Amino acid sequence: TQLLEQSPQFLSIQEGENLTVYCNSSSVFSSLQWYRQEPGEGPVLLVTVVTGGEVKKLKRLTFQFGDARKDSSLHITAAQPGDTGLYLCAGSSQKLVFGQGTRLTINP
Amino acid sequence: NAGVTQTPKFQVLKTGQSMTLQCAQDMNHNSMYWYRQDPGMGLRLIYYSASEGTTDKGEVPNGYNVSRLNKREFSLRLESAAPSQTSVYFCASSELFRWYGQGNSPLHFGNGTRLTVT
Repeated sequence: TQLLEQSPQFLSIQEGENLTVYCNSSSVFSSLQWYRQEPGEGPVLLVTVVTGGEVKKLKRLTFQFGDARKDSSLHITAAQPGDTGLYLCAGSSQKLVFGQGTRLTINP
Repeated sequence: NAGVTQTPKFQVLKTGQSMTLQCAQDMNHNSMYWYRQDPGMGLRLIYYSASEGTTDKGEVPNGYNVSRLNKREFSLRLESAAPSQTSVYFCASSELFRWYGQGNSPLHFGNGTRLTVT
């Protein structure tokens, strides 16, 4: 069974701080997606990484796919209250597997 | 552009009652999915329809049935609701059913149905 473990499960920090969220597995994935979910809404795709070692940037968010394509990280620089939400990673191989999510709170 | 629309948004059922969750997408997507989301467990796939006319079981199909009514609509039915089915249900669609590799087809989610079974 393929599993994706996200850490930390909960993170509460002050506005302006930096943070990193991790998504780890013992399985190799062909690609990995990151979604953000706000209360009362469905997840929305942020990015897809495909190549081992790939780095993608989306404004203050930096996504990296591990060299072995077993893990990924999301780094947020100078976090803002608008970054608050549930961040989900999802790995693709023979099926799509979701991590359990990291609930991020940015305090003003 | 509505995207993926789910109805109802909230529902309370008593054990043993039945109901159908409705989902429609207006993006001309080929594939549609039903997920449930429970605290600490991420999103788990209940059923999916890779293309119009086909449906397949996902990770947690027991207690559910689905119908792909046409290309736009995919419904989820609970025949005899149980408290273990208390959850938030999400419908999603994607242009193609292709989980992996280049051209990975991302999922577009609706806003969910919050179901409580007492």
